[in-house]
Amino acid sequence: AIRMTQSPSSLSASTGDRVTITCRASQGISSYLAWYQQKPGKAPKLLIYAASTLQSGVPSRFSGSGSGTDFTLTISCLQSEDFATYYCQQYYSYPRDFGPGTKVDIK
Amino acid sequence: QITLKESGPTLVKPTQTLTLTCTFSGFSLSTSGVGVGWIRQPPGKALEWLALIYWDDDKRYSPSLKSRLTITKDTSKNQVVLTMTNMDPVDTATYYCAHSDYDSSGTFDYWGQGTLVTVSS
Repeated sequence: AIRMTQSPSSLSASTGDRVTITCRASQGISSYLAWYQQKPGKAPKLLIYAASTLQSGVPSRFSGSGSGTDFTLTISCLQSEDFATYYCQQYYSYPRDFGPGTKVDIK
Repeated sequence: QITLKESGPTLVKPTQTLTLTCTFSGFSLSTSGVGVGWIRQPPGKALEWLALIYWDDDKRYSPSLKSRLTITKDTSKNQVVLTMTNMDPVDTATYYCAHSDYDSSGTFDYWGQGTLVTVSS
């Protein structure tokens, strides 16, 4: 199975900050990488797929990059509604495992 | 408009079998490329991928749980059923079902609200 790691595990930021989260796969997954946002008590929401394609309706302040084993999610100007936990997921092979998550909270 | 909703028991006893149903609308599981998967999340922990079934009845399971899981579909009822045998307190989690489609994102783009299952005697 491909192991997914994320860094940092948590971060504190202020509204307006630029935030970058890193996801690493234990082996190459091409661009088969998705990012999800999850708020407490809610289901995850797909933000980005194919490493850099924004899901319909997702604000353009979210962007993704990377291929192979190293990927990043960037929030260009953090808004209050962006405080949440973010997960990456590989869908290159089975099992389609998720990363451990990165919690973004208010500084 | 795609929607999914999970249903099943909220409390099961250790060693029992859990049966969860995902009832969906807005798509057909007989359409090429479409799949429905199950994901769970223990309280305060990360998401865990469990299983996925495709339009052509191809089924994929988490290797660590494969011996305990069965996923089936009823296309006429727009339902996907997940059974998990020999439940243990560590299986306490919110269980989600989600839609995927090769022709769109290729991964889980629509999710149900989730259902919390507690395993306790």
